[in-house]
Amino acid sequence: KNQVEQSPQSLIILEGKNCTLQCNYTVSPFSNLRWYKQDTGRGPVSLTIMTFSENTKSNGRYTATLDADTKQSSLHITASQLSDSASYICVVGRASGGSYIPTFGRGTSLIVHP
Amino acid sequence: DAGVTQSPTHLIKTRGQHVTLRCSPISGHKSVSWYQQVLGQGPQFIFQYYEKEERGRGNFPDRFSARQFPNYSSELNVNALLLGDSALYLCASSSVPDRSQPQHFGDGTRLSIL
Repeated sequence: KNQVEQSPQSLIILEGKNCTLQCNYTVSPFSNLRWYKQDTGRGPVSLTIMTFSENTKSNGRYTATLDADTKQSSLHITASQLSDSASYICVVGRASGGSYIPTFGRGTSLIVHP
Repeated sequence: DAGVTQSPTHLIKTRGQHVTLRCSPISGHKSVSWYQQVLGQGPQFIFQYYEKEERGRGNFPDRFSARQFPNYSSELNVNALLLGDSALYLCASSSVPDRSQPQHFGDGTRLSIL
């Protein structure tokens, strides 16, 4: 079964601290892995996209890693800011009959306290 | 440039009714995808359209249908509404349905079924 599992479910950190979010998947055949940030009441915003051959991708203070052998990805946030408070969603896409089918995780809810 | 726009922003329906949700992609984007996000969960893929043709379909019943118009805008139709259809419906657009292209999401239509 194609699944994406994220951990932790929720996380509270102090402003300025770093944190790492985890994503494990069983999606096959693998096409790509994306991380999104979703603020409350808004649509998701793309942070990173990685294909099979990429094992790291950065976007400012966000760095995503991918281990396609173990089917694991992580999103590292450096020097957190209050505006980082949001849900972070891991999405793994697979190719199916010429189509691209994305499978979303349930997200990690991050709260950054001053 | 305007982002992805969805209408209406909120909608209340009763069981058994039908609903039509609308999406206008970013100018120049030819691919539109629809997602359902139940409260507290990640989005689930419903449909993807490209150049007015269906390119992908998620695991949703036939009560759900969609179409894309010559101007690349799209409609999602849901018939015989159930309480479980209450959710945030998200639309995303991209230039092409390619695995390396980021998807840009609208802020969704919040559908409540009474």
